[in-house]
Amino acid sequence: QKEVEQNSGPLSVPEGAIASLNCTYSDRGSQSFFWYRQYSGKSPELIMFIYSNGDKEDGRFTAQLNKASQYVSLLIRDSQPSDSATYLCAVKKNTGFQKLVFGTGTRLLVSP
Amino acid sequence: DVKVTQSSRYLVKRTGEKVFLECVQDMDHENMFWYRQDPGLGLRLIYFSYDVKMKEKGDIPEGYSVSREKKERFSLILESASTNQTSMYLCALGGPSNQPQHFGDGTRLSIL
Repeated sequence: QKEVEQNSGPLSVPEGAIASLNCTYSDRGSQSFFWYRQYSGKSPELIMFIYSNGDKEDGRFTAQLNKASQYVSLLIRDSQPSDSATYLCAVKKNTGFQKLVFGTGTRLLVSP
Repeated sequence: DVKVTQSSRYLVKRTGEKVFLECVQDMDHENMFWYRQDPGLGLRLIYFSYDVKMKEKGDIPEGYSVSREKKERFSLILESASTNQTSMYLCALGGPSNQPQHFGDGTRLSIL
């Protein structure tokens, strides 16, 4: 079992729809959870982070965390073609330093 | 804004060469990381450093070494480059505690 799992996609949604990206993790003691967006050929860019159970909203983005189910998700409302990218989930394990474990990413395609 | 500068965007080297990848930060953060990213394998941690002259192996350190002589600079060294080290190399900067990591623009390295 991978430490952080994401469906590779592609996830295809029409413009204006809600895109839902999911991530599960294996280490129950994980503390911090991050979503990065990566355009093709570019480096990952931080979108959101969440530490506590529940929802965290930032503009069109909402991160949701359920530690009991070891599940974190990212919702993108009013999806735009410019949101088309690969979304990486990253988890900080309950070990020393600040090592992150990354999922392999979900590719999102938003069609006009 | 967090600024992480990688010395080269694209680099072409030959097998057997010693290759240096440089990463510079202007945030006075202790934690710096080197990853490589390959299709289907995601981001994998090569080495990280939590202070000057301090380094820790990541998940795939074989064939690499690092140097951190000054806080702002973290160098990745390929001792004798091989074709299987052709990849995208990403430097990241991590703040204290649970703060997220921020990435440089990446270096796409080709070993011929």
